[in-house]
Amino acid sequence: QKEVEQNSGPLSVPEGAIASLNCTYSDRGSQSFFWYRQYSGKSPELIMSIYSNGDKEDGRFTAQLNKASQYVSLLIRDSQPSDSATYLCASRNSGNTPLVFGKGTRLSVIA
Amino acid sequence: NAGVMQNPRHLVRRRGQEARLRCSPMKGHSHVYWYRQLPEEGLKFMVYLQKENIIDESGMPKERFSAEFPKEGPSILRIQQVVRGDSAAYFCASSEGGNQPQHFGDGTRLSIL
Repeated sequence: QKEVEQNSGPLSVPEGAIASLNCTYSDRGSQSFFWYRQYSGKSPELIMSIYSNGDKEDGRFTAQLNKASQYVSLLIRDSQPSDSATYLCASRNSGNTPLVFGKGTRLSVIA
Repeated sequence: NAGVMQNPRHLVRRRGQEARLRCSPMKGHSHVYWYRQLPEEGLKFMVYLQKENIIDESGMPKERFSAEFPKEGPSILRIQQVVRGDSAAYFCASSEGGNQPQHFGDGTRLSIL
């Protein structure tokens, strides 16, 4: 059974702080990893994708991948109230295979 | 630059009726995926299609559910004889294939009375 685990939260951080979201996965065959942001009642929006060990930065977002520990994280620097949403972690075995999602972590950025 | 288009956004059906959900992928995308999301739950994979072919339907219930992606027109997810438990948000995603990420439509919220 392929599983992606996330702490459901809510994770509360003050405005301007760093939010750290974590995710573990069970399938060692997973090759690609994605973070989606989902506002209440809206569709998942792709934030970051990461395919190899290490860090990947894009603006205020940094994704980190450690395949040996089967661990993925997302850091959000200078958190803003508009970042308040549910963040979904997803894994995929290979190019065209379906995504396996965690249940998501609710982030609340307090002004 | 249209994204993934789903319609209708909201669909209300009575128990026993049929529900048809439509998805037009992004331009240039030939891979379509359907996911279901229950309240407070993550997205669960249902079915993966390419033009005219079902590639993986391992997440789709064997009874009452079917999907297609014809040569012309949108992908259709069809639920026959709906029951209360079918109430959920149904999301469609598309990709170019290869290692490219999936992009999601706005979803169809299905409510069963």
